[in-house]
Amino acid sequence: NAGVTQTPKFRILKIGQSMTLQCAQDMNHNYMYWYRQDPGMGLKLIYYSVGAGITDKGEVPNGYNVSRSTTEDFPLRLELAAPSQTSVYFCASTLDGYEQYFGPGTRLTVT
Amino acid sequence: KNEVEQSPQNLTAQEGEFITINCSYSVGISALHWLQQHPGGGIVSLFMLSSGKKKHGRLIATINIQEKHSSLHITASHPRDSAVYICAVKGGGSNYKLTFGKGTLLTVNP
Repeated sequence: NAGVTQTPKFRILKIGQSMTLQCAQDMNHNYMYWYRQDPGMGLKLIYYSVGAGITDKGEVPNGYNVSRSTTEDFPLRLELAAPSQTSVYFCASTLDGYEQYFGPGTRLTVT
Repeated sequence: KNEVEQSPQNLTAQEGEFITINCSYSVGISALHWLQQHPGGGIVSLFMLSSGKKKHGRLIATINIQEKHSSLHITASHPRDSAVYICAVKGGGSNYKLTFGKGTLLTVNP
């Protein structure tokens, strides 16, 4: 199993540009999450999904959108990038809440 | 909303020392996770606890539900243990959402 994969690893965006961060898992997990990690801060939940077709907002959803058309994929969309969205983004999944599996992260800089 | 506090924020130790990292939370939980993040690296799950104590190799995690407190201990610390250790708590409900502490940066010098 590849586990949780994320692409790209790094990206630099200009203000106002859009992009999609990809996340996929091959463990047949129903639960998937997007977090952002800012220096000196704990991970903050952006959006989560409890199964295909079901998504919900986390703590910091503004400026982001998600979709979950399949169990495997959970892309995160930034529509109008802002400097405040400079962060490291982690995708995670879990089968039953016992163990959380994290992707390797995407380092995004918006200038 | 659950507040998760970790202490210390930074910890420097000499190889071989016994390490303790603490985590306190404000609201009752159904489970607590300890995670490890190496510099520039991904995040891996070390333990999930809902009561008592768990041990894996040189790592020991304990939780006191009444006191809303958990500790992560590392025995015979080694430079490869240098990482950020993150505490995260799960409330009730079936969506398994976690609330994270800010992490403790551990540096173990040879």
